Amino acid sequence: DTEVTQTPKHLVMGMTNKKSLKCEQHMGHRAMYWYKQKAKKPPELMFVYSYEKLSINESVPSRFSPECPNSSLLNLHLHALQPEDSALYLCASSLGGTRTDTQYFGPGTRLTVL
Amino acid sequence: GNSVTQMEGPVTLSEEAFLTINCTYTATGYPSLFWYVQYPGEGLQLLLKATKADDKGSNKGFEATYRKETTSFHLEKGSVQVSDSAVYFCALTDTSTGNQFYFGTGTSLTVIP
Repeated sequence: DTEVTQTPKHLVMGMTNKKSLKCEQHMGHRAMYWYKQKAKKPPELMFVYSYEKLSINESVPSRFSPECPNSSLLNLHLHALQPEDSALYLCASSLGGTRTDTQYFGPGTRLTVL
Repeated sequence: GNSVTQMEGPVTLSEEAFLTINCTYTATGYPSLFWYVQYPGEGLQLLLKATKADDKGSNKGFEATYRKETTSFHLEKGSVQVSDSAVYFCALTDTSTGNQFYFGTGTSLTVIP
């Protein structure tokens, strides 16, 4: 099973709302990632968790708050977002953190901020 | 630093045509190279990869060879199908930065019957 699942598939929220994106994998992977992808652009790395510890935060605004409750789950908590945060949010996982590891991507959550 | 340069798109081909999408890279250490494909409305799927020089990755009729001398990893397919219409991303990881991916800008491919 090489599947990464993400929920919800679509999310519409106002600028004052609080919502969460969820990501799950059962491949035994120990590294998990959040990316943001705007239309016709490559994914931009936001956060990396390695062995359930935050290892990379690419200067993401504090209105995005990641959480890794266990090795299979990754959450992204959203609060007071701006319309420019509307994008496809992708979760990925890999076996570990080495250069040869493949990252497996989920289908993404399409976020619209009104 | 690490970076990937990918040929500009969009690319439009007729079914059964030959496909080449150019990808060149710059890396600080010893990179691994990947091609990912993204179909409309979906996440990225690994198409193929190569982790050392002269390795050839292949999958679903697509091939790419890791050329250290030309710092290239061009994607090729001998006969494209309508179902190959998607966006293709070249990417690298590097010994200096572990599993952090550096993506090219993506190349949109449309195959017409």
